[in-house]
Amino acid sequence: EAGVAQSPRYKIIEKRQSVAFWCNPISGHATLYWYQQILGQGPKLLIQFQNNGVVDDSQLPKDRFSAERLKGVDSTLKIQPAKLEDSAVYLCASSLDEAGGLKTQYFGPGTRLLVL
Amino acid sequence: AQSVTQLDSQVPVFEEAPVELRCNYSSSVSVYLFWYVQYPNQGLQLLLKYLSGSTLVKGINGFEAEFNKSQTSFHLRKPSVHISDTAEYFCAVSVWTGTYKYIFGTGTRLKVLA
Repeated sequence: EAGVAQSPRYKIIEKRQSVAFWCNPISGHATLYWYQQILGQGPKLLIQFQNNGVVDDSQLPKDRFSAERLKGVDSTLKIQPAKLEDSAVYLCASSLDEAGGLKTQYFGPGTRLLVL
Repeated sequence: AQSVTQLDSQVPVFEEAPVELRCNYSSSVSVYLFWYVQYPNQGLQLLLKYLSGSTLVKGINGFEAEFNKSQTSFHLRKPSVHISDTAEYFCAVSVWTGTYKYIFGTGTRLKVLA
């Protein structure tokens, strides 16, 4: 079974530039998550999709971050304009509904972003 | 509010020695508990999870964890570590807030020494 795919793996941009990350979840996984992981910290949820609808985006900085999952499969996360503090690893995860509604998450390799 | 605490930011241990990585959580409702491992420049990989039933959970790579409800802990253990176990380990809880939400700890860096 193919895992969660993410691209690019690495990106370096200057502040105020725009950047986009792509994620393709495991086939059949209805739920997709984007996390931000700053160096030395645990992952922080940015947004959660159920199919193509947003379930939770309470921690997404909506003035500069946006995400979409138009067809309920792959997803794009965009930052516009980027700030120095956006330097982090952006992780995508997907999950399948299990008994009782639990969702075990499976993570992609991440995109490492450096903003100069 | 729910939270996860990993008190040890770094744990050095010699190869073939046992190790315990500590995790405590705070929640007023039932939780599901997870341990993930992150190797350098990679995403998180599920080690094990506790949903219900037996409090001792066995995972991949020889790791196991014990759920202790009274102490609200879910410590990860391995009886004999290898150099290849060097990685970052994250404890996480999943709680119901209208949907199941994951909360991660800050991670423990396990360094296995030859």
